Amino acid sequence: LAKTTQPISMDSYEGQEVNITCSHNNIATNDYITWYQQFPSQGPRFIIQGYKTKVTNEVASLFIPADRKSSTLSLPRVSLSDTAVYYCLVGDMNAGNMLTFGGGTRLMVKP
Amino acid sequence: NAGVMQNPRHLVRRRGQEARLRCSPMKGHSHVYWYRQLPEEGLKFMVYLQKENIIDESGMPKERFSAEFPKEGPSILRIQQVVRGDSAAYFCASSPRDRGNSPLHFGNGTRLTVT
Repeated sequence: LAKTTQPISMDSYEGQEVNITCSHNNIATNDYITWYQQFPSQGPRFIIQGYKTKVTNEVASLFIPADRKSSTLSLPRVSLSDTAVYYCLVGDMNAGNMLTFGGGTRLMVKP
Repeated sequence: NAGVMQNPRHLVRRRGQEARLRCSPMKGHSHVYWYRQLPEEGLKFMVYLQKENIIDESGMPKERFSAEFPKEGPSILRIQQVVRGDSAAYFCASSPRDRGNSPLHFGNGTRLTVT
């Protein structure tokens, strides 16, 4: 089971781009990388998922280098409402082992 | 299309009582996961179920905790003889698991307080 390491917290200002990096040195061939966002008193919400290179959706981009030992979630032009905890998960859903959340990164966006 | 529904949202139990937490997965989802979250901590996996089957319960304490996902009706997480240390937020997630790495869809949790 790939273990992930993320910064505990990050601060940013409105309108800036935020990049949160997750290290997963033991990622396996069949593992995908998935990011979730969690607000207080709510369940985690899916943001983006990728396997390699770059994935982009309406909310974020996910950059994965060739060795896949890390990944970077990029949030363009953050707003106050992006203040939340962001979790990086690595695993193979087909094997049922995308099960463990790390401590996450607490992002604080300031005005 | 309703999301994952959990009830109750808040549950207060005295030590020694039983707690029953319910989770209705998204329509079309046949896989359910339960997680526990303590304040200021990440989510810890408890159990993974399919209809009428427990697939992985490696994260669930062996005593007092049980989970089921019957053919009809919601998934139930049951905690017998609750203790103060059981106070936490319990989240349920579901997925269809028929499309490779389908992400999990979470409910908004049940906050259990043991007094």
